[in-house]
Amino acid sequence: GQSLEQPSEVTAVEGAIVQINCTYQTSGFYGLSWYQQHDGGAPTFLSYNALDGLEETGRFSSFLSRSDSYGYLLLQELQMKDSASYFCAAPNSGGYQKVTFGTGTKLQVIP
Amino acid sequence: DGGITQSPKYLFRKEGQNVTLSCEQNLNHDAMYWYRQDPGQGLRLIYYSQIVNDFQKGDIAEGYSVSREKKESFPLTVTSAQKNPTAFYLCASSPGQGAISGNTIYFGEGSWLTVV
Repeated sequence: GQSLEQPSEVTAVEGAIVQINCTYQTSGFYGLSWYQQHDGGAPTFLSYNALDGLEETGRFSSFLSRSDSYGYLLLQELQMKDSASYFCAAPNSGGYQKVTFGTGTKLQVIP
Repeated sequence: DGGITQSPKYLFRKEGQNVTLSCEQNLNHDAMYWYRQDPGQGLRLIYYSQIVNDFQKGDIAEGYSVSREKKESFPLTVTSAQKNPTAFYLCASSPGQGAISGNTIYFGEGSWLTVV
């Protein structure tokens, strides 16, 4: 079956850089997405990697290695508002549209 | 503005009752989803639909039912067979296969269901 594993919690200092990892097991891989969710809110899309390598979007970057079944989200110049949960997501063997989410990483940014 | 509208925001259900959560999107997306999220946990897929009049079970479909009679609507019924329905329910949509980043998912604001 499909599984996407993430660390449950990460703490980092304001202004620093943090990396959130995602390792996955799935067949029919179409790419890896990342979502941010603040407490009580809905997840919002951050980035998508269809191919190996680094995708940069402002302070956020995402990396994918298909050969290692591994990806990460990199957050730079951390701000207090970045405190949230972060999820990786991917379609699984059920088909392109059957998107399942990782276990989630709760990021706490401290002063 | 385009988006996904879920209603109600908060819903209380008595034991043994069925309840229906509404989800409407005006993004012209082909695919729609229902996810369940328990406090402090990840998102689990209940049902998804790739096209009108078609839907598939996700990972935790037992005790739930859906319909997709119109492209813009994907209501979720939580039946009395769902023994622990208290959770945050998220409806979502995506453009569909063939579109660039076609499985990028856009979420509604969610519905909180509590059993009383």
